[in-house]
Amino acid sequence: DARVTQTPRHKVTEMGQEVTMRCQPILGHNTVFWYRQTMMQGLELLAYFRNRAPLDDSGMPKDRFSAEMPDATLATLKIQPSEPRDSAVYFCASGLDRSTDTQYFGPGTRLTVL
Amino acid sequence: AQSVTQPDIHITVSEGASLELRCNYSYGATPYLFWYVQSPGQGLQLLLKYFSGDTLVQGIKGFEAEFKRSQSSFNLRKPSVHWSDAAEYFCAVGATGGFKTIFGAGTRLFVKA
Repeated sequence: DARVTQTPRHKVTEMGQEVTMRCQPILGHNTVFWYRQTMMQGLELLAYFRNRAPLDDSGMPKDRFSAEMPDATLATLKIQPSEPRDSAVYFCASGLDRSTDTQYFGPGTRLTVL
Repeated sequence: AQSVTQPDIHITVSEGASLELRCNYSYGATPYLFWYVQSPGQGLQLLLKYFSGDTLVQGIKGFEAEFKRSQSSFNLRKPSVHWSDAAEYFCAVGATGGFKTIFGAGTRLFVKA
């Protein structure tokens, strides 16, 4: 049963610290998406990759967020420095080549910045 | 630009009652439409999707949705709701040739005994 995995599942950190979230997409999927979910803003697309290349990261605050895919089996989302307003659940999703395809979501990383 | 509207922030239905969740989309061409469900503490899971053909689409867990081009709608339905259906439901639209899927704000379903 192939699924997207995310680590850590929960992270509590203090303001100003660096946070790195990891995602392993489903083997064979070549698109990866990062979303942020909060009560106030709902589900927001932060960035997405196709064949490991970033296609759109316009949803990300550029000064503190960065997303990379070092290889086809790992996607990372980094926040440096973190702020309390970054507290949210961060989801990774993977899929095949087009927006017409199903996205498979990971369980999320719940981030709390104190 | 494509967009999705889910008019109802939350809905409460009695167990065993029928359910309809509304979704309206805005897109210039034939859209690709999805319904996802998110149970508490979990990621989103696909319920069903529409690309073309029969406008009534069957999904998992007894859900179905009907595409109505004239109304730009893709409403989700279930004839008899179970307590385990309590979750948040997201309608989404994908663009032909694009990579990004646009999600609605979600409708939270509460089921009362």
